Amino acid sequence: GAGVSQSPSNKVTEKGKDVELRCDPISGHTALYWYRQSLGQGLEFLIYFQGNSAPDKSGLPSDRFSAERTGGSVSTLTIQRTQQEDSAVYLCASSPAGTSAYNEQFFGPGTRLTVL
Amino acid sequence: SQKIEQNSEALNIQEGKTATLTCNYTNYSPAYLQWYRQDPGRGPVFLLLIRENEKEKRKERLKVTFDTTLKQSLFHITASQPADSATYLCALSSSNSGYALNFGKGTSLLVTP
Repeated sequence: GAGVSQSPSNKVTEKGKDVELRCDPISGHTALYWYRQSLGQGLEFLIYFQGNSAPDKSGLPSDRFSAERTGGSVSTLTIQRTQQEDSAVYLCASSPAGTSAYNEQFFGPGTRLTVL
Repeated sequence: SQKIEQNSEALNIQEGKTATLTCNYTNYSPAYLQWYRQDPGRGPVFLLLIRENEKEKRKERLKVTFDTTLKQSLFHITASQPADSATYLCALSSSNSGYALNFGKGTSLLVTP
């Protein structure tokens, strides 16, 4: 079946612009995660959605970052007034249910964001 | 602060040998530890999960050990092949939440023919 898809695969933007990154999780997966991977760094947790519960936004680095998940499926990560330090690969993952501690996460290919 | 440390130096081994990668952690009380593989330009792919009450887990040519006293996990690939060349990531759940995974920076493995 289809895996996690993300779009666009690459995004180049100018400093100060807003960007939207999209994630389509695996059908039926109730948990959805966003991570950021900067060059030479590990994956950094950003936000977690579980079903209809309020998302855990504890990993978002600033209030310029926000995310929503519509209808319990597709998610959009929005970065407002982008800065050069926002340049990274943004990865989305989904898992069948519950906590990631108990379930493997299925990752998308990522969106490479470059802020000039 | 919580830390997950993986050897930052690339591991180069000859085909057929056993590759051993290390993951050390501090200030965690993880119930579970996961290993992922990441190829260039792709997202990580799940390999194995081991629970705190399990000392060892195997899957085909892969073996993971988990020593909660040493706060260390070892990841072994036996009879390594060039196709095993990739970056391998260790991941733990945060002690403050049961769902967000915290990843190490990964160790790059290169298997040469």
